[in-house]
Formats: sequence, C-alpha cells, structure tokens
Amino acid sequence: EAQVTQNPRYLITVTGKKLTVTCSQNMNHEYMSWYRQDPGLGLRQIYYSMNVEVTDKGDVPEGYKVSRKEKRNFPLILESPSPNQTSLYFCASSYTGAAGYTFGSGTRLTVV
Amino acid sequence: ILNVEQSPQSLHVQEGDSTNFTCSFPSSNFYALHWYRWETAKSPEALFVMTLNGDEKKKGRIRATLNTKEGYSYLYIKGSQPEDSATYLCASNGQGNNRLAFGKGNQVVVIP
Repeated sequence: EAQVTQNPRYLITVTGKKLTVTCSQNMNHEYMSWYRQDPGLGLRQIYYSMNVEVTDKGDVPEGYKVSRKEKRNFPLILESPSPNQTSLYFCASSYTGAAGYTFGSGTRLTVV
Repeated sequence: ILNVEQSPQSLHVQEGDSTNFTCSFPSSNFYALHWYRWETAKSPEALFVMTLNGDEKKKGRIRATLNTKEGYSYLYIKGSQPEDSATYLCASNGQGNNRLAFGKGNQVVVIP
C-alpha cells in the first residue's frame, strides 16, 4: 500500500530533550515536506526537500533540523524542544511540485 | 511567505443543498493550486491540483475551478451529504520552488 509513515503518533517530552520524528514513504517520491498545524494558524511548512541531499527552509524552520540521506526517509529533528513546539506535525510527500501530496498520519507532540 | 486566503472560514449547509467557497492566492509567479479534504482525526487527502488558467476538475459531486490571472479558485459541492463534512484546504506554490503555502481552510458541516 502506498503510504507515508510517521512515528511516533503521540509523544510527550520535556524541554531540552532531543527528539526525532521519523518519516518514510514507499512511493519513490522526490518531494518531501514537514508541516505543523496549530489552532487558528493552518498548516505551516517547516522544511522541505526536493531530492536526496537537497533541503530548504519553509516558513517556520527555527528550532528544527532535517536530513535527506535517502530518498524514502525525511526525519524531523528537534535538538532542544521547547513548549512552543507543542503542535501536530505532518510529513507529506509528492512526485512533483504540481502533484498532490500524500500525508502521513500525523504526530502530536507535547513539550512540557 | 505566500499569502493564501480562504473564505468563509466555516459554513453550515443543509443536506441536499449546494455550496461553494473561495481560495485566493498570489497570481504572480504562480505554479500550482492544490485542494485537500481533511476529516477530523485523519490526514489531509488530495482532491485536485490545477496549474492552468481556466482549469476545471471534478470528483463526484465536488468541482474546482482556477483563475490564475486574478488569483482565485472556487470549490463547489453539489447536493451536500453528511459525509462531505470536513475542512477543505487550499494551497499554492510558486514557480521553481516547493514552498507550498496553505490557507486556514473552509470548515464545512452538513446538517442532516
């Protein structure tokens, strides 16, 4: 089944403790993106990647890192999480910039 | 940051009635316009991607149109059913990049 797999689905962590949210797609998509969803703000792009070893900042990249060492994986790294990073995170992938994105199931992160 | 606006923010529709809502986006440097359907507790699902001025796409009772010169897209739902209740997201990206900017969504509630 074609899908984007995110892990974990839920995570509660403490301020400052490094964490990684994994994202993997099995559709051989070139494009991958991370978004966060906050009430009243809509989906905001954190980082995106157009191919292996090609990443760029989205609209809200502060406090996040990504890597794209393999085509299928695009992990989101929070080196020192803070409470303002409490949010619902989505990973998504697409074949091209003009094709619809397939979204993962989401990761609800709480930083206390 | 691309500014994508959707209106109205929410609407209640009687079952069987038709409805429509609007997405406005920057017309300069336009590349693609996306519509997604997002049900509560699920992930956004791609409905349409349009790239050419005058494009129209249809899926069942849902139809979308695109005007790239004036920077707007309409989404129409004909004969609304309770299963159409969802948030409909519009997103746009510009030429040469994958910074897909989302609007805040149109939340539709269909009343039986």
